[in-house]
Amino acid sequence: QLQLQDSGPRLVKPSETVYLTCSVSGGSMSSNYYYWGWIRQPPGRGLEWIGSIYYTGSTYYNSSLKSRVTISLDRSQNQFSLQLTPVIAADTAVYYCAGAFGYRGYNPIINDKNYYFYQGMSVWGQGTAVIVSS
Amino acid sequence: DIVMTQSPLSLPVTPGEPASISCRSNQSLLHVSGYNYLDWYVQKPGQSPQLLIYLASSRASGVPDRLTGSGSGTDFTLKISRVEAEDVGVYYCMQGLQTSITFGQGTRLEIK
Repeated sequence: QLQLQDSGPRLVKPSETVYLTCSVSGGSMSSNYYYWGWIRQPPGRGLEWIGSIYYTGSTYYNSSLKSRVTISLDRSQNQFSLQLTPVIAADTAVYYCAGAFGYRGYNPIINDKNYYFYQGMSVWGQGTAVIVSS
Repeated sequence: DIVMTQSPLSLPVTPGEPASISCRSNQSLLHVSGYNYLDWYVQKPGQSPQLLIYLASSRASGVPDRLTGSGSGTDFTLKISRVEAEDVGVYYCMQGLQTSITFGQGTRLEIK
């Protein structure tokens, strides 16, 4: 069964760079994934999507973070990563990596024999608490 | 970005009683493929979020059939037929129609 292990620094100073990695185990990260993504949760608050890298190779980011965030994939290491720079105090949060999956099949509604059916973000990492403080 | 609005934000429920959470979007989540790109997740105390429902009504693996997702377009509902103690947590809806994904504010379900 696929599992995700996220890791990275816990305490960073304002204006610095935070780099988080998510290691995929129990299978290949190239198999049946719809997208790999990062989501964060500030203390006492709800979930905020940061960005995702899709099976098409395209990457999309939250518009409020777009200028500061980069998500990349390293299939040889079976991991994907998040870079956020420069960090500010409001970036203090628990950061989760997650994977959404799918499968190809026939969609009779649009008569597509090779439609990629989405199956939700079914795998999540345990979360990494990042504190931005001087 | 699509705005997702959940109600109620707090939901106290007696064990064995039903519960219902509403999620509304300010744009239709119905894709040309015929599917509504709406997921439900729950974050239980001290845990990472976990997938309950995808494409508005498909249960994820291992999710009990007490939980049911329904709706189309802009109005969606998550129903729990009989609440159990293990259902305590914060429930989020999430739209994946646009590549700029957005979550609802969350609904905190607690046991009375």
